[in-house]
Amino acid sequence: GQSLEQPSEVTAVEGAIVQINCTYQTSGFYGLSWYQQHDGGAPTFLSYNALDGLEETGRFSSFLSRSDSYGYLLLQELQMKDSASYFCAGRGGGGNKLTFGTGTQLKVEL
Amino acid sequence: NAGVTQTPKFQVLKTGQSMTLQCAQDMNHEYMSWYRQDPGMGLRLIHYSVGAGITDQGEVPNGYNVSRSTTEDFPLRLLSAAPSQTSVYFCASSYDTLNTEAFFGQGTRLTVV
Repeated sequence: GQSLEQPSEVTAVEGAIVQINCTYQTSGFYGLSWYQQHDGGAPTFLSYNALDGLEETGRFSSFLSRSDSYGYLLLQELQMKDSASYFCAGRGGGGNKLTFGTGTQLKVEL
Repeated sequence: NAGVTQTPKFQVLKTGQSMTLQCAQDMNHEYMSWYRQDPGMGLRLIHYSVGAGITDQGEVPNGYNVSRSTTEDFPLRLLSAAPSQTSVYFCASSYDTLNTEAFFGQGTRLTVV
C-alpha cells in the first residue's frame, strides 16, 4: 500500500517563505506531485518531481529525495491568495494508483 | 475545452436510495478515478480505471460500483446510500498511468439523510 503524511496546518505571513513537507511509504514509486485546493474548489496540479532535486515554477518550488522518501513544496513571496490546502500525491503500487497525502492547510496572514 | 465534467454538483439522498454520479472527460485520457474527500482525511481513492473495460478497487470501495464502457465516461454508483457516504466526491483523469498530472472535475457534494 501507499501512505503520504503531511502536517495538518501551517501559518505564515504575507511575503514570507513557507515549506510544506511530505513523507511517504509506497511501493513502485513513480514520483511526487503537488496539488492546490481552495475552499469549495477542486484540486489543481502544481508540480511534479520524477527525479531527486529541486523543480522551480515561478514562486513555487518542489523538492524530492527518493532515498529519504521525502519531499517538500516551497512557496516564496507568500500572497493572501496562497491560502489553501496543499496535497502531495504519489503514483505507484498495483495499477499505478495515484494516492494523495493527508493535506496541509496553509493560512497566510497579514 | 470542457476537461472533466461531473454531475450533479449537489445531491441529497435518503438512506437506502441508489444513485449514479456521472463523470465524463474529453481529453482522451486512459486513467480515470473517483475520490471522496472528508474533513481532515484528504482525498481517498474509491475506484479507478486504467482504460475502457478495466476497473479496480481503491482504498475505500465498499458501497460503490463503477464501470468503464467507454474511454470518456466513468460513472460511480452508490448501491444503497448510507449516512457514512456523506462526502464530497471528485472524479479525476490523467493521460496514462505514468503521468501524475491529474485533472479534476468540480466535485459532487452528497448528503445522505
